[in-house]
Amino acid sequence: EAQVTQNPRYLITVTGKKLTVTCSQNMNHEYMSWYRQDPGLGLRQIYYSMNVEVTDKGDVPEGYKVSRKEKRNFPLILESPSPNQTSLYFCASRGDRLVYEQYFGPGTRLTVT
Amino acid sequence: GDSVTQMEGPVTLSEEAFLTINCTYTATGYPSLFWYVQYPGEGLQLLLKATKADDKGSNKGFEATYRKETTSFHLEKGSVQVSDSAVYFCALTVTGANNLFFGTGTRLTVIP
Repeated sequence: EAQVTQNPRYLITVTGKKLTVTCSQNMNHEYMSWYRQDPGLGLRQIYYSMNVEVTDKGDVPEGYKVSRKEKRNFPLILESPSPNQTSLYFCASRGDRLVYEQYFGPGTRLTVT
Repeated sequence: GDSVTQMEGPVTLSEEAFLTINCTYTATGYPSLFWYVQYPGEGLQLLLKATKADDKGSNKGFEATYRKETTSFHLEKGSVQVSDSAVYFCALTVTGANNLFFGTGTRLTVIP
């Protein structure tokens, strides 16, 4: 089954404690993204990757890092989380820049206290 | 810049009622337009799309027509069901772009 998986699904942490949210897709997609979803703001892109070792900032990259060492994985790293990063995070993938449909993971709800 | 504006929610309808969720857009190039649906506890799924003016996207009884003259892509369904309760997002992208621009989402609740 074609899918995007994320772990963990729920996470409560404290300010400053480094964390990683994993994302994996099994569709051999080149293009992967991270979004955050906040009430009244819709989804906003944090980072994207066009292929292995190729990443770039989206609209709201501050406080986040990513890496793309393998095609299937695209982890999101919060080196020093802060309460304003409390949000619902989605990973997404698509075939390439010219393929419009994105496949989304189930989401990770992060709370930073 | 590129952006999407969709009607505020929440929307509550009775089963079998007619649904319209308005979406208008601003784009610098020639956008492709999408409706995504998010069921409770799940990620977003593509519901329908239209890639050029006057195209009509349709799926699961939902329809939306790409209207360039009014820069709109309103979502409609003739008879909603309880299972249609979800959050609906209008989105656009421009060919070769790195981003999908989403609206703020409209929560639909259908009551029996």
